Amino acid sequence: GIQVEQSPPDLILQEGANSTLRCNFSDSVNNLQWFHQNPWGQLINLFYIPSGTKQNGRLSATTVATERYSLLYISSSQTTDSGVYFCAVEQGSSGDKLTFGTGTRLAVRP
Amino acid sequence: EAEVAQSPRYKITEKSQAVAFWCDPISGHATLYWYRQILGQGPELLVQFQDESVVDDSQLPKDRFSAERLKGVDSTLKIQPAELGDSAMYLCASSFTTGGGRESFFGQGTRLTVV
Repeated sequence: GIQVEQSPPDLILQEGANSTLRCNFSDSVNNLQWFHQNPWGQLINLFYIPSGTKQNGRLSATTVATERYSLLYISSSQTTDSGVYFCAVEQGSSGDKLTFGTGTRLAVRP
Repeated sequence: EAEVAQSPRYKITEKSQAVAFWCDPISGHATLYWYRQILGQGPELLVQFQDESVVDDSQLPKDRFSAERLKGVDSTLKIQPAELGDSAMYLCASSFTTGGGRESFFGQGTRLTVV
């Protein structure tokens, strides 16, 4: 099956700093989503981004499908950004399910 | 804003007991998924429904797990008997396909502890 790897696995930032999270996938995909898992375990949708670039406030994401990677940018980080960030991909060959990456655990210090 | 509803939020059960989780997807979402997330890992699919039909249960441990979505709306996931290794977060998601693709939305999850 498809492999989805994220980097870095862990990241500590000072409040106000910027960061880039990366998601690499091993095969072509139909869809790609970025999620933030908060400390209570809920997965919050950040971006639905099978290709191109999107921005939402301090967050933006870019997916280059032909090169099989996606990037999530966090600017001016806040303590509420802490948690685990997952990218997840959907392949047509494996149905509609999402295959999740390994996650990046982010801690933003005040 | 429409949400995926799950209950209970937390469940502690003794091994060998039965446990059930409930999910109500976003209205109009024909596809419903149950995922299991072990601590420190990403969620993995257990079962996928399209309306009331199972379309993928290849990763569901069928000797002890069962899932149903009788009327194609809400769904129940059951474990009987529970084992210590079943301790995990159980997440329900739903999705709707449009011309622009398919986006999945997750509920708050049920955190199961088997003691």
